[in-house]
Amino acid sequence: QKEVEQDPGPLSVPEGAIVSLNCTYSNSAFQYFMWYRQYSRKGPELLMYTYSSGNKEDGRFTAQVDKSSKYISLFIRDSQPSDSATYLCAMSQTNDYKLSFGAGTTVTVRA
Amino acid sequence: DGGITQSPKYLFRKEGQNVTLSCEQNLNHDAMYWYRQDPGQGLRLIYYSQIVNDFQKGDIAEGYSVSREKKESFPLTVTSAQKNPTAFYLCASSITQGPYNEQFFGPGTRLTVL
Repeated sequence: QKEVEQDPGPLSVPEGAIVSLNCTYSNSAFQYFMWYRQYSRKGPELLMYTYSSGNKEDGRFTAQVDKSSKYISLFIRDSQPSDSATYLCAMSQTNDYKLSFGAGTTVTVRA
Repeated sequence: DGGITQSPKYLFRKEGQNVTLSCEQNLNHDAMYWYRQDPGQGLRLIYYSQIVNDFQKGDIAEGYSVSREKKESFPLTVTSAQKNPTAFYLCASSITQGPYNEQFFGPGTRLTVL
């Protein structure tokens, strides 16, 4: 079993829809949870990070962490064609330089 | 303009050849990383280095080698011992202070074995 599980999709939605992405994990020591966005043939870039459980909102993006269920989510509201990318979840323990990544979910937003 | 550069963008290798992928950063980061990305498998850590002249194996180090002679540079050599080297290779860097690890990625090198 992988340490971090993420459905690779692909996911296709119409413009303006809400995109819902999620990951599950098995290591209860993870404390930092990140979402990276990767456009085609580019390197990933950090979108959001969350510490421990709770929600975090940044514009159209909301990240949620439920440590009791070992489940994290990313929601994209009012999705735009420019949101079409692969979204990777990543997580780490405190003061650990290693990140554990999910497989990435490929999202296409249709105009 | 700070960032991470990787070269070349595309690389073709014949079986049995060693090739070296370049990674340079001007972010003054202490830590650097190499990942391999395959479809449906996410990023897998090959090697990482927290300081100059020191590096550690990641999850899939077999068939790869690295050096860290300068803070700015962390080249990766894909040796002929790597049985399935065709993949997208990503270099990243980060600071080593602080509770969490935000890694900054380069644009990647796509390696194809002919």
